[in-house]
Amino acid sequence: TQLLEQSPQFLSIQEGENLTVYCNSSSVFSSLQWYRQEPGEGPVLLVTVVTGGEVKKLKRLTFQFGDARKDSSLHITAAQPGDTGLYLCAGARGSSNTGKLIFGQGTTLQVKP
Amino acid sequence: DAGVIQSPRHEVTEMGQEVTLRCKPISGHNSLFWYRQTMMRGLELLIYFNNNVPIDDSGMPEDRFSAKMPNASFSTLKIQPSEPRDSAVYFCASSPSLERENADTQYFGPGTRLTVL
Repeated sequence: TQLLEQSPQFLSIQEGENLTVYCNSSSVFSSLQWYRQEPGEGPVLLVTVVTGGEVKKLKRLTFQFGDARKDSSLHITAAQPGDTGLYLCAGARGSSNTGKLIFGQGTTLQVKP
Repeated sequence: DAGVIQSPRHEVTEMGQEVTLRCKPISGHNSLFWYRQTMMRGLELLIYFNNNVPIDDSGMPEDRFSAKMPNASFSTLKIQPSEPRDSAVYFCASSPSLERENADTQYFGPGTRLTVL
């Protein structure tokens, strides 16, 4: 059972376009993270959202945590070729903070110049 | 800080052989995680340790897989005997002490690309 569903799985766009990636679940998470992974490397943390309804901005990237803390979105404005990569959402669950994360399947983004 | 160190970066072996993957977590981190990534299944958690103790190994595929953490600075993931379906990229990640605010942040190593022929 995949607890975190990401959509779309693949996205190919032109430089300058906007896009949104979604991360959905029927489960509640205490926090949710977004990672970006480039070929041949491990995932790197972009942001952590903790509060329901929270919005965080990282330059052209906007992250939102759903009010019920079951879903999240990543919006990229004016995408650039350097944004190309695999985007992963990951949720932390439970009252006991063990550090365990549940990862979504990922969204592969290609931005063409 | 050198980050999480994994070795080897690439491993090609024949079916039936033993494979040992190594990981050195970031100094001071108390949690260590082993993941497997494939195109079909994405990133899967295999096992994780807190303070060198295995906490959850429910993701370990079968008895052919084993992991150890003899001390705070070293962990191994062993596959014996290896099979072609074990081919994947294996990542090690570490996380800071649970008492710190950013305890959930995981720092990944570069991965080991395993090919079993």
